[in-house]
Amino acid sequence: QKEVEQDPGPLSVPEGAIVSLNCTYSNSAFQYFMWYRQYSRKGPELLMYTYSSGNKEDGRFTAQVDKSSKYISLFIRDSQPSDSATYLCAANLGTGRRALTFGSGTRLQVQP
Amino acid sequence: SQTIHQWPATLVQPVGSPLSLECTVEGTSNPNLYWYRQAAGRGLQLLFYSVGIGQISSEVPQNLSASRPQDRQFILSSKKLLLSDSGFYLCAWSSGSYNEQFFGPGTRLTVL
Repeated sequence: QKEVEQDPGPLSVPEGAIVSLNCTYSNSAFQYFMWYRQYSRKGPELLMYTYSSGNKEDGRFTAQVDKSSKYISLFIRDSQPSDSATYLCAANLGTGRRALTFGSGTRLQVQP
Repeated sequence: SQTIHQWPATLVQPVGSPLSLECTVEGTSNPNLYWYRQAAGRGLQLLFYSVGIGQISSEVPQNLSASRPQDRQFILSSKKLLLSDSGFYLCAWSSGSYNEQFFGPGTRLTVL
């Protein structure tokens, strides 16, 4: 079993829709959670960073972590064609070893 | 502001040839540095990380090696490439105090 699981998609939505992207994880020791956006043939770009459970909002993006169910979500409001990319969730233990454990990514397509 | 560079951007090499990929970071000092590999349609796999000059930790046994000759320079090498070494190689950095990692543009390596 992978430590961080993501549905690979593709997820296709019309422009303006609310998008929900999700990950589950198995290691209860994970403390920090991140969402990255990766355009084709580019390096990942950090979108959101959260610590422990709770919500964090930044513009059209909201990250949500539920440690009790080991569930991570990213919501995108008013989705745009420029949001079309692969979204990667990642988790980190927070101390000592700082390497991130990534999901395999969900490909999102926003149709104009 | 901090920037991270990788070169070359693309590389096509024959099996058995050597490899050297370079990563440099500007605008910060004593960063943690990471090498990841991303296979097609897959998540990122951590290969090496470094918390200081000459300090390298290997995550996955393989025919690759890493070196950190200067504070903001990280090099990924191989003496003899295998077909299975093909992939998208990403360098990342983080501040010693924080868990967010920031990625470079990547090097796409094809071994023929």
